[in-house]
Amino acid sequence: QVQLVESGGGVVQPGRSLRLSCAASGFTFSDFAMHWVRQAPGKGLEWLAVISYRGDFKYYADSVKGRFTISRDNSKNTLYVQMNSLRDDDMGVYYCAREKTGGGVRLDYWGQGTLVTVSS
Amino acid sequence: EIVLMQSPGTLSLSPGERATLSCRASQSVSSNYLAWYEQKPGQAPRLLIYGASTRATGIPDRFSGSGSGTHFTLTISRLEPEDFAVYYCHQYSGSPPYTFGQGTKVEIK
Repeated sequence: QVQLVESGGGVVQPGRSLRLSCAASGFTFSDFAMHWVRQAPGKGLEWLAVISYRGDFKYYADSVKGRFTISRDNSKNTLYVQMNSLRDDDMGVYYCAREKTGGGVRLDYWGQGTLVTVSS
Repeated sequence: EIVLMQSPGTLSLSPGERATLSCRASQSVSSNYLAWYEQKPGQAPRLLIYGASTRATGIPDRFSGSGSGTHFTLTISRLEPEDFAVYYCHQYSGSPPYTFGQGTKVEIK
């Protein structure tokens, strides 16, 4: 069955960096575009970034552009997001999600999320 | 950037009642690129509807989606106890960013 498992969250000081990972299994990872979505405490969902199945196209939300970098290693079935210059408002649960096309684009599988806390 | 506005912010209903949730876009969204998700406390979002009106695998037929252009609707025909949750619309139309609405909370009256 399809599984997405995020890791790498934790407590980090403002201005520091963190890299999150999303390990995929149960499907051909290299066939699918992948997304990162986050949720600040008590708030709604915020789309952050997408990477194409080959990794050659990447797009970002304005809130993270220039600070976050999405990447993937198809040989390891793993999605990443490198987060630099972290700010208080970057705190929240970070989800990876698989993009499915055909009949309409959607995020059909999500990980359980990993919590990032930005605090001095 | 396409902004999605969901209304109402909170919907207070009883089990068995009908829920109608609205999602309005600041620009036209292709129906192929509008989806709805359900999220319960402490859980990841779950895909309900894609292509504005197609139910995802395993989603009960009490959930339905409709709409086009700038106005989309999620309807839950008869609320079950497990349907009390937060619902988000999401668009992928045109260029990124692929924005979410702010959510509608369906709570027990």
